[in-house]
Amino acid sequence: NAGVTQTPKFQVLKTGQSMTLQCAQDMNHEYMSWYRQDPGMGLRLIHYSVGAGITDQGEVPNGYNVSRSTTEDFPLRLLSAAPSQTSVYFCASSPRSAGGDTQYFGPGTRLTVL
Amino acid sequence: DAKTTQPNSMESNEEEPVHLPCNHSTISGTDYIHWYRQLPSQGPEYVIHGLTSNVNNRMASLAIAEDRKSSTLILHRATLRDAAVYYCILRESGNTGKLIFGQGTTLQVKP
Repeated sequence: NAGVTQTPKFQVLKTGQSMTLQCAQDMNHEYMSWYRQDPGMGLRLIHYSVGAGITDQGEVPNGYNVSRSTTEDFPLRLLSAAPSQTSVYFCASSPRSAGGDTQYFGPGTRLTVL
Repeated sequence: DAKTTQPNSMESNEEEPVHLPCNHSTISGTDYIHWYRQLPSQGPEYVIHGLTSNVNNRMASLAIAEDRKSSTLILHRATLRDAAVYYCILRESGNTGKLIFGQGTTLQVKP
């Protein structure tokens, strides 16, 4: 049971490039989410999904797309990278969207946009 | 989205108890109170959560005020490994289930 896995661990992009951050969980969780964390700040919610085929926006969705075609995977796409998207990105999952459910976080992807 | 307020930082001595406060005056009746902590260069990890009653687990205790407008995370004996940023978060029940993080409290533990 690997929990929540994220790839890559580190990535450097040039402005305007696109890429996909991968997130997978093997716990059969319905709920998955993406956060970004800027230096010295708390986490901010980008997008979330309450189940396969269902996604919604969080606090800071601009510049990012998501899709959820399977229960296991929740990729985050940067359409045209900007320096303001330099951050650490965390993926998380929980059994459902219930208030009492615990979220499990991945180890993060550190992204630098030049 | 419900918000929480925590002190920016706190200090503790090793092997002493630590009480980390959190105010959440706009909490709704179905919001759960969650605590997560984040060690340097790691993702957040779950500590404890509760709805109305006080809760205990192997990591910590959670004391919830009777009116639910505040709560306190209690680490019974702080160790150097407990130095981290502690986040108090309200998790919405229902369709969204969003976790909205605040700034958290940076806990320093002195030997």
